[in-house]
Order: sequence, then C-alpha cells, then structure tokens
Amino acid sequence: DTGVSQDPRHKITKRGQNVTFRCDPISEHNRLYWYRQTLGQGPEFLTYFQNEAQLEKSRLLSDRFSAERPKGSFSTLEIQRTEQGDSAMYLCASSRPGTGVTEAFFGQGTRLTVV
Amino acid sequence: QKEVEQDPGPLSVPEGAIVSLNCTYSNSAFQYFMWYRQYSRKGPELLMYTYSSGNKEDGRFTAQVDKSSKYISLFIRDSQPSDSATYLCAMSRVGSNDMRFGAGTRLTVKP
Repeated sequence: DTGVSQDPRHKITKRGQNVTFRCDPISEHNRLYWYRQTLGQGPEFLTYFQNEAQLEKSRLLSDRFSAERPKGSFSTLEIQRTEQGDSAMYLCASSRPGTGVTEAFFGQGTRLTVV
Repeated sequence: QKEVEQDPGPLSVPEGAIVSLNCTYSNSAFQYFMWYRQYSRKGPELLMYTYSSGNKEDGRFTAQVDKSSKYISLFIRDSQPSDSATYLCAMSRVGSNDMRFGAGTRLTVKP
C-alpha cells in the first residue's frame, strides 16, 4: 500500500492550454474524490466516483473540466482552455468500499500554475 | 458568511503547551466533523473524525463537538515541533461526499 499517487506533482502551463492530471488510488479503494485547494483556503469538492461511475459533481466543475475513471481504477482530471483562476492544488482522495469521504486518504496533490 | 469559519492564525506556542484549535459552522445538517493536518506542499492527513456531538480522544489529540453551539475544537496536548503544520477542520452531511473545509489554522510549535 503506497498511498494515493498523483502525477505530475507540479505543472506550469500557459493560459489557454489543456492539462491532464492522473490519480492512482489505494488499491481496492473503489471510491475516489477530486478536490481543489487554492492558496490560503481549505479544499473544495469537485467530483466523486464509485468504481467507474461519476456519481456527484460540484457546480465548481465547469464545462471546461472533465473527469474520468475508466475501469474503476485510476482517474484523470482534464482542464481545457486553462485560465489563471485555475491555478490551485488539485487533490485526489480515495476510500474503501462501505466507507465515505470522512475516511478518505488524500494524495500529495498536483500543483497547477497557469501563466 | 462562510459555511465554516476557522481562525487562520498564525498560532505560535512553546513546546509542551496545550494547543486549542476551533471552528464554527452555520449548517445544522452537518453530522460528520473531521480534523486534518497539512504540512507545507503536502496533501491533508486525516487526524480524526467524530460523528454528531461528543468527545473523541486519540493519543495527544482530543476532538470535541458542540452541535448546540455549532462549535468544534481540537486539543493537542504536549505539543511537539513536529506538530507544526496547518490544521484544517472539515464537516459533511450524512450521505454527502462534499466535505466543507475551514481555511486552516497555521500552527508553529517552538522548541
């Protein structure tokens, strides 16, 4: 058990470019969550997967954002046409079957800087 | 008014002191209350969670929930320099995956 793994750890991109982040949850964790954290603030919920199904999305997840979890394993979060306001830490978390987000383990995050 | 309010600090204490961290909230539907520790440039680490009201103790950490006052606390006994981090409170409704976080309190424990 190596914990939740996120890649890349850091990403610098120019405004208007597309970026994709990857999250590998703890093995056998079927629940996966994406959160976003801006500087000096707590994380904010983006979306939730149970296995491969995306069951919950926040209104923060605009149509420029898309998340997938093919085959219920790793997940990707894509941001199209990035804006400076997208600069943040993107956090992935996972939890075991039968548990909720209250028992989720977070990864180290992907820090995105849009210039 | 934010749904979850947390004093950002910073809070600086000497080693061995008792630390008290607090959050207030406005949504009476919250039933799960969590405390996370976050080191610089790292992801949040769950310290403990409490369901509904009451106290919960885990080693040097004690969490308290007072739902009547919409007020939660985390106490750290015998604080250590390694406790220096940002502490985030979070809460959620039953059946929700949307945890609402406070902004975090930055704590420094000086040797």
